[in-house]
Amino acid sequence: ETGVTQSPTHLIKTRGQQVTLRCSSQSGHNTVSWYQQALGQGPQFIFQYYREEENGRGNFPPRFSGLQFPNYSSELNVNALELDDSALYLCASSPGTGGTNEQFFGPGTRLTVL
Amino acid sequence: GDSVTQMEGPVTLSEEAFLTINCTYTATGYPSLFWYVQYPGEGLQLLLKATKADDKGSNKGFEATYRKETTSFHLEKGSVQVSDSAVYFCALTPAFSSGGSYIPTFGRGTSLIVHP
Repeated sequence: ETGVTQSPTHLIKTRGQQVTLRCSSQSGHNTVSWYQQALGQGPQFIFQYYREEENGRGNFPPRFSGLQFPNYSSELNVNALELDDSALYLCASSPGTGGTNEQFFGPGTRLTVL
Repeated sequence: GDSVTQMEGPVTLSEEAFLTINCTYTATGYPSLFWYVQYPGEGLQLLLKATKADDKGSNKGFEATYRKETTSFHLEKGSVQVSDSAVYFCALTPAFSSGGSYIPTFGRGTSLIVHP
């Protein structure tokens, strides 16, 4: 059983650019959530996708957007990058949207905005 | 809104010492409570969870009891090992969904350092 994978591992961008991060969910999981983890902080929920539809969103501006594909893999897109977007971006998959479900996290993508 | 408060780290212990990491929460009703662990360079892994009051979650020698009266979910281990060195996150998911999604809230994390 393959776990959650993310690409790329590290990324350096400049302010104003756009970035796309990718996530492959664990086999059998139809729900993917994205988080932003600033240095020394806990993960902050960005949004969740369930069966290709956005299913919930945290307190992030519209320049953070996403997609989920029929195989349940997902992308996170961030437009007009700002310095404060520098963080570790985590993807997590789960077998459903229920609140008691365990989330399975990938290793993250480290984004640096200069 | 919902919130999770963890004790500040780092917590530094000698091997075989007793561990407690405090976690308290603010949420409506009966949220589900989780402890996740993050080893260096890795994503978070679920350590244990409890989904109703007075439940005790346990795994790998770690335990935490869901205390509704004190809104707490403290993590304990009787004898820590060097390999337990990591960052520990307390988290909750709400009792009620928001548009079909149970938006999770994480604490800031507590770093544990265990010396031989």
